[in-house]
Amino acid sequence: DVKVTQSSRYLVKRTGEKVFLECVQDMDHENMFWYRQDPGLGLRLIYFSYDVKMKEKGDIPEGYSVSREKKERFSLILESASTNQTSMYLCARTDPPYGYTFGSGTRLTVV
Amino acid sequence: GENVEQHPSTLSVQEGDSAVIKCTYSDSASNYFPWYKQELGKRPQLIIDIRSNVGEKKDQRIAVTLNKTAKHFSLHITETQPEDSAVYFCAASGSTGFQKLVFGTGTRLLVSP
Repeated sequence: DVKVTQSSRYLVKRTGEKVFLECVQDMDHENMFWYRQDPGLGLRLIYFSYDVKMKEKGDIPEGYSVSREKKERFSLILESASTNQTSMYLCARTDPPYGYTFGSGTRLTVV
Repeated sequence: GENVEQHPSTLSVQEGDSAVIKCTYSDSASNYFPWYKQELGKRPQLIIDIRSNVGEKKDQRIAVTLNKTAKHFSLHITETQPEDSAVYFCAASGSTGFQKLVFGTGTRLLVSP
């Protein structure tokens, strides 16, 4: 059973803090993704990575960065958290030919 | 880039009725169209998908149809049950490669007993 693990289920951070969201996959697939999910807006792509040290901006990269030092780990970084980054964050990896496998999500609240 | 629109945003049906959710996409080069179901508090999970060389695909009570000319695809659920209640997302893969999916905004389906 393919697993994508997000290290935290719930996080509460203060405005201005640097926040790290971690995602680990148990397979050797290249493509990994970070989405944020907001009511009425669906899932919007923040960043994705197709290999170690490779990254591409998605549709809403502002205020975020990513790190991929090892193939199995893809981290999302909020450089200076703001209240408008309060959201559900979902990590995913491709699972060919079956689309994506998602992590269980991290609900981040910035106060 | 790819843009996916999804309707309706909410859908209420009686148990046993059919439910249809529709999506349109903008990039004619998109070639993969999955549907995900997200139950409350859980991760989205793939329920069915279709590729651009196929017009229809069925899996028990669910089916997906694709009209490439019109650039729209639909999810059909027959004989709905309360456990079908969830948020459903459609998605399309754009032409940029890397298997990047663009998602619709979701449909909240409520099946009443």
